[in-house]
Amino acid sequence: GAVVSQHPSRVICKSGTSVKIECRSLDFQATTMFWYRQFPKQSLMLMATSNEGSKATYEQGVEKDKFLINHASLTLSTLTVTSAHPEDSSFYICSASRTSGGAGDTQYFGPGTRLTVL
Amino acid sequence: GNSVTQMEGPVTLSEEAFLTINCTYTATGYPSLFWYVQYPGEGLQLLLKATKADDKGSNKGFEATYRKETTSFHLEKGSVQVSDSAVYFCALGTYNFNKFYFGSGTKLNVKP
Repeated sequence: GAVVSQHPSRVICKSGTSVKIECRSLDFQATTMFWYRQFPKQSLMLMATSNEGSKATYEQGVEKDKFLINHASLTLSTLTVTSAHPEDSSFYICSASRTSGGAGDTQYFGPGTRLTVL
Repeated sequence: GNSVTQMEGPVTLSEEAFLTINCTYTATGYPSLFWYVQYPGEGLQLLLKATKADDKGSNKGFEATYRKETTSFHLEKGSVQVSDSAVYFCALGTYNFNKFYFGSGTKLNVKP
């Protein structure tokens, strides 16, 4: 159990276009979902935390108008990169947690989406 | 604040060698500690976790003990296999809001 999927796994787009990435928890209800960005050979940087039915909480330095997050249901969160530019090229990873807080809550990670902006 | 520091890689070992990957942390409150593994081209998989001081997490021959006195959570395995080659991330999960902070990752290469 605790499988998280992401779609698409890879996407190439032109500069100025928008790209939507989906994150789904397949066999459990995810109260909280997280979006991370991973640069080559570097660690994961938390971008935002989203709870089902409420607005996402963005980390400092992350543009909320550029990275739109929607957590419409307990099994689906989407990240939309608006007006993408080459510097937005990265590996985006989502994770999901069954609960909304408390120590010991495990995050289950999706396989990631490789975004390349030309 | 909260942060995680891991030993830099890559770590190259021969099959059946003993593995240690060091991880230390700074935290406010009472965090949980995790090790995740990332195989090439894939996302992160939970390897093991510990939720309080002196807890030992273990899985697939890997183990790590939550040491509050040394603020450490070192990963160990007695005999590595080629299939263990991957990048290992140490992570801290905060008590409130379950925010995760990741170390920089340590790449492990195991040679036959």
